[in-house]
Amino acid sequence: LQLQESGPGLVRPSETLSLTCVVSGGSISSNSYSWGWIRQPPGKGLEWVGSISYGGSSYYNPSLKSRATMSVDTSKNQFSLRLSSVTAADTAVYYCARHDSGLPLSDYFDSWGQGTLVTVSS
Amino acid sequence: SSELTQDPAVSVALGQTVRITCQGDSLRRYYASWYQQKPGQAPILVIYGKNNRPSGIPDRFSGSRSGNTASLTITGAQAEDEADYYCSSRDNTARIFGGGTKLTVL
Repeated sequence: LQLQESGPGLVRPSETLSLTCVVSGGSISSNSYSWGWIRQPPGKGLEWVGSISYGGSSYYNPSLKSRATMSVDTSKNQFSLRLSSVTAADTAVYYCARHDSGLPLSDYFDSWGQGTLVTVSS
Repeated sequence: SSELTQDPAVSVALGQTVRITCQGDSLRRYYASWYQQKPGQAPILVIYGKNNRPSGIPDRFSGSRSGNTASLTITGAQAEDEADYYCSSRDNTARIFGGGTKLTVL
């Protein structure tokens, strides 16, 4: 399984960040998995952004205060992230990952993309 | 929401055993997963569930849990294990990560 992020490397403050993750070597339409976004500001730790099932059920980090929206395109085997009203604090490497959330007491991100740096700056 | 707390840095002599810990209320209910991240690379999953290793992860990596503390143990640390290690768990509908532990192999 391979995941590949793509999107603009530079976004202006107050605009919307848009990223896409193309999945290859496996189908995004699996009951067993969700698909997630995790970000990492330069020199800092990991932060979960949100996850979505192939059917479109999504859930997000509450700290993003409803700025995040994810979608799935099963015909293209890809999923996307939109983050509105960005500020410099949203500057980070954004990773997409397969999210195994099938077990009630255990879930994890078992395959990751290489990550893409998004800088928020005017 | 809950938090996961990790020691910022840990060191281990080559070939010795090291334990990296992760504390948080969510761990009383949910198992932690552990990720290894080397500079400039994406994280990789090394432990999930009660104590499961993905294919390709050496058996010197193991996981455990006691109360609100999850542990990642490396038995016989190798030079290539030098990396940042992050724990993660579910917290109701959210997912949370610890701040990370930088492991130095001396």
